[in-house]
Amino acid sequence: QSVLTQPPSVSAAPGQKVTISCSGSSSNIGNNYVSWYQHLPGTAPKLLIYDNNKRPSGIPDRFSGSKSGTSATLGITGLQTGDEAGYFCGTWDSSLNAGIFGGGTKLTVL
Amino acid sequence: QVQLQESGPGLVKPSGTLSLTCAVSGGSISSSNWWSWVRQPPGKGLEWIGEIYHGGSTNYNSSLKSRVTISVDKSKNQFSLKLSSVTAADTAVYYCARGTGGTFDPWGQGTLVTVSS
Repeated sequence: QSVLTQPPSVSAAPGQKVTISCSGSSSNIGNNYVSWYQHLPGTAPKLLIYDNNKRPSGIPDRFSGSKSGTSATLGITGLQTGDEAGYFCGTWDSSLNAGIFGGGTKLTVL
Repeated sequence: QVQLQESGPGLVKPSGTLSLTCAVSGGSISSSNWWSWVRQPPGKGLEWIGEIYHGGSTNYNSSLKSRVTISVDKSKNQFSLKLSSVTAADTAVYYCARGTGGTFDPWGQGTLVTVSS
């Protein structure tokens, strides 16, 4: 069972917007930066968002991140079929002194 | 750009030692970065295993600390993972990645290690 809680799945139509939540506690999200990743089976996870809301070079602005208290949210606008993938959040837990991740959310673009 | 590639045996016997190497290309492992190992058991979430700085400092997940060793070989531009006394619960896809604190970029493609006799 993951320390960070994500919904197992979300879905939306092409062109629409979707949000994925990541819930934690004061020892992790509440006091540390959150990152978001896109993951397709058999491939390397891809960093989409770091430091809560920053995008690495090459990541389109359709992807956005935010944090409030002990929760973080990934937003994806203008959904494309190519966005169908798993998405997971990650951060540091100051009590566990370890990196931690969410259980992952499968996005289906209907 | 920096690329990472894991390598090592895909099958390890119970009670044996899992050994994996992560080759770093397109950049130097001696740059100011932490280098990490992460795993994902089948059907489960990701688990951070530990990390090493190019100078040799390490941090390990407390749940695995007694069995884990991460080392760096600057001459070969690679870092390695050793996990001892493995059981079926250690069967997972193992990833290497650059980074720390929950932010990892890039990642390797991952390698499946099965613990079975």
